[in-house]
Amino acid sequence: GAGVSQSPSNKVTEKGKDVELRCDPISGHTALYWYRQSLGQGLEFLIYFQGNSAPDKSGLPSDRFSAERTGGSVSTLTIQRTQQEDSAVYLCASSLDRGPLSGYTFGSGTRLTVV
Amino acid sequence: AQKITQTQPGMFVQEKEAVTLDCTYDTSDPSYGLFWYKQPSSGEMIFLIYQGSYDQQNATEGRYSLNFQKARKSANLVISASQLGDSAMYFCAMREYNQGGKLIFGQGTELSVKP
Repeated sequence: GAGVSQSPSNKVTEKGKDVELRCDPISGHTALYWYRQSLGQGLEFLIYFQGNSAPDKSGLPSDRFSAERTGGSVSTLTIQRTQQEDSAVYLCASSLDRGPLSGYTFGSGTRLTVV
Repeated sequence: AQKITQTQPGMFVQEKEAVTLDCTYDTSDPSYGLFWYKQPSSGEMIFLIYQGSYDQQNATEGRYSLNFQKARKSANLVISASQLGDSAMYFCAMREYNQGGKLIFGQGTELSVKP
């Protein structure tokens, strides 16, 4: 597609439920990133996929968070047993490669509200 | 330690005047890139400007310029001739090439342009 697509755009879930957030990157972009942005805060790095390499999971806040990327394209971020502090906007970005002139294109985000 | 520090939570500027948004960074990696993004109230992340650690000249993109002072580890964004549409959150970010492709963001500066 023309841009990074994220779905759903909004998600309200009950505490303790599992949620799945989807990111469809720009076609051909080998790198994909997930970030979390709490209200009024900066972007917190969660996880990064680059090609067929093992993902960099160093930003995942707990083992309730996991992500996968199937076929080098679509990625799903899963949050198990959601907590109220998980409420945030989850942003996905993709880039062509690791080169310095490779821009990052962000999706519009999924706003997650845990009630 | 904070990798990216933006010390100005909020800034005001009069329309048509110039404004400088501060950003300092911390890295021991000799190869890194510095980015500025704009996030309007709509939530999208808009790439503004990029500076590589080995670039000899300060980056410029239209009304945006980056005042890169490598020895001080600062990468301030200068917006000339401010417009009402410049009102937004502004984020400074860094990529360290030895740490892969992920961007690390500062906490942001909220810029308000007054008519």
